[in-house]
Amino acid sequence: DTEVTQTPKHLVMGMTNKKSLKCEQHMGHRAMYWYKQKAKKPPELMFVYSYEKLSINESVPSRFSPECPNSSLLNLHLHALQPEDSALYLCASSQSPENTGELFFGEGSRLTVL
Amino acid sequence: GQQVMQIPQYQHVQEGEDFTTYCNSSTTLSNIQWYKQRPGGHPVFLIQLVKSGEVKKQKRLTFQFGEAKKNSSLHITATQTTDVGTYFCAGVAWVKTSYDKVIFGPGTSLSVIP
Repeated sequence: DTEVTQTPKHLVMGMTNKKSLKCEQHMGHRAMYWYKQKAKKPPELMFVYSYEKLSINESVPSRFSPECPNSSLLNLHLHALQPEDSALYLCASSQSPENTGELFFGEGSRLTVL
Repeated sequence: GQQVMQIPQYQHVQEGEDFTTYCNSSTTLSNIQWYKQRPGGHPVFLIQLVKSGEVKKQKRLTFQFGEAKKNSSLHITATQTTDVGTYFCAGVAWVKTSYDKVIFGPGTSLSVIP
């Protein structure tokens, strides 16, 4: 199984809502990532989890709250978002945090904030 | 901070013509990766280059890593309509926490005219 699965595929939320994005991988990878991608832009790193611990936070606003419940799951909790947070949110995993090889991306969750 | 630049931003070619995209990093990289993202899709890993001066080929695609490990290129011979998409280079560099950080270049969007 070489897949990274993300749910939901699409999400529309108001600025006062609380929602979560979920990501799952069963490849035994020990590094997991959240990237944000705006239209016609490259993926922008948000968070890195290494061995289920947050190792990199790229100065992301606190309205985005990541969580890694176990080595296979990664969540991104969303609260009080702004319309400019509308984007494609990509989860990725790689085998080892110390020697990043191929990043396996999920299909993404397309978020619209009204 | 680390920056990865990529040119050109857009390239339109006639089917059968060659295509090249160039990537340049502001810092020395431990390795460089290339990804392809089809319209509406997610980034898919193409290759990783690790050694200074390394050249790798995948069918019609040729990847090079510069001697100083700060630049790279992707060359596609005789483009086909299936090559349409955005090609991202991604520079991998050590961060002080000893974990790798993958930073994407802005990408080159390739259109192929049949």
